[in-house]
Amino acid sequence: RKEVEQDPGPFNVPEGATVAFNCTYSNSASQSFFWYRQDCRKEPKLLMSVYSSGNEDGRFTAQLNRASQYISLLIRDSKLSDSATYLCVVFEASGGSYIPTFGRGTSLIVHP
Amino acid sequence: EPEVTQTPSHQVTQMGQEVILRCVPISNHLYFYWYRQILGQKVEFLVSFYNNEISEKSEIFDDQFSVERPDGSNFTLKIRSTKLEDSAMYFCASVGRNQPQHFGDGTRLSIL
Repeated sequence: RKEVEQDPGPFNVPEGATVAFNCTYSNSASQSFFWYRQDCRKEPKLLMSVYSSGNEDGRFTAQLNRASQYISLLIRDSKLSDSATYLCVVFEASGGSYIPTFGRGTSLIVHP
Repeated sequence: EPEVTQTPSHQVTQMGQEVILRCVPISNHLYFYWYRQILGQKVEFLVSFYNNEISEKSEIFDDQFSVERPDGSNFTLKIRSTKLEDSAMYFCASVGRNQPQHFGDGTRLSIL
């Protein structure tokens, strides 16, 4: 059974803190990786794609470690508005299409 | 920015009835997905659709479920003979070539 595992948290941090989340995946043939953000009772929204070389978008940095089969998300200078659940999504190729598997999400609470 | 739209936003149905959930994907997108999220649980892949046919489906997507793209724009999920455990948020997503998924804001399905 293919799994995507995340620490559910919650991570409770003060504004301005740096926080990091990890996500592990079991299928070594996984092809593409994403971090999504989901607010309570809302749809998932793409935060960033994750590449082997790592990528950065403002305060957010994502990295992929294929050897150890995990991806990470680093948030610097946390804002109150960063409070949400962060979903790790892993796609694996199946025939000509891609099957997504979601992690359960990591809850982040940023407090004043 | 183009959006994926879903209707209705909330559907309340008696157990045993059929429901049809509707989605209008982004117009130039090629792949379409349905997901469900039971309250407090992770997002689960149901089915993907490409070139007017199902490309992949999960074990959740049994004979109770069907999908159609009846008119080239709408993408529907039909659930026959609904059960209490079908109560969930149902998300539609569409994908363009070499692009990540865009989610609709979901339909909350409540089975009584």
